[in-house]
Amino acid sequence: KQEVTQIPAALSVPEGENLVLNCSFTDSAIYNLQWFRQDPGKGLTSLLLIQSSQREQTSGRLNASLDKSSGRSTLYIAASQPGDSATYLCAVKLRDDKIIFGKGTRLHILP
Amino acid sequence: KAGVTQTPRYLIKTRGQQVTLSCSPISGHRSVSWYQQTPGQGLQFLFEYFSETQRNKGNFPGRFSGRQFSNSRSEMNVSTLELGDSALYLCASTSLPGTSGGAYTDTQYFGPGTRLTVL
Repeated sequence: KQEVTQIPAALSVPEGENLVLNCSFTDSAIYNLQWFRQDPGKGLTSLLLIQSSQREQTSGRLNASLDKSSGRSTLYIAASQPGDSATYLCAVKLRDDKIIFGKGTRLHILP
Repeated sequence: KAGVTQTPRYLIKTRGQQVTLSCSPISGHRSVSWYQQTPGQGLQFLFEYFSETQRNKGNFPGRFSGRQFSNSRSEMNVSTLELGDSALYLCASTSLPGTSGGAYTDTQYFGPGTRLTVL
């Protein structure tokens, strides 16, 4: 059974710092992995999607990597800003098209 | 292009009642998925519809059901509500369901959610 874990559950860093969020999954037979952000009480916004054949994706200050063999993905945020404060979730899509989410990392950027 | 819309945004019901939530996907998107989000369990997959057919189903009791119409709009229904059904219900649309080995990017676009409170 696929399990997706995100550690830490919460993180506070000063503005301007670079940071890394972690996501691990137990079964490497995934179709893709997607990173989302969620603001309080709101829906999810897709940040980056990495297909199983890819190693990384970049969008602006964000870079996501995928290592299927070790069951890990990281989301790197460069030069963090207060507007980056949100909950970040990773989700893996399985070969049967089901999607399993991690419980997220609550990120707080200190001004 | 308008995003995913969900109605209503907030709902308060009592135990034993039933509720219907609605989701309109992005124009042109044919796949709609539903999720339940609670503080304890996080985001859990309910089901996915594509072209009016249920393609996938999560591990929820039969009280949770859904359907999709010819215009791709989807509804989910919860009967005999329980206190534990209080949650944020999110729907997401994609342009195409994932194809194993294919090159499609099936990014999910989420709606703002319906906050259901069961008293």
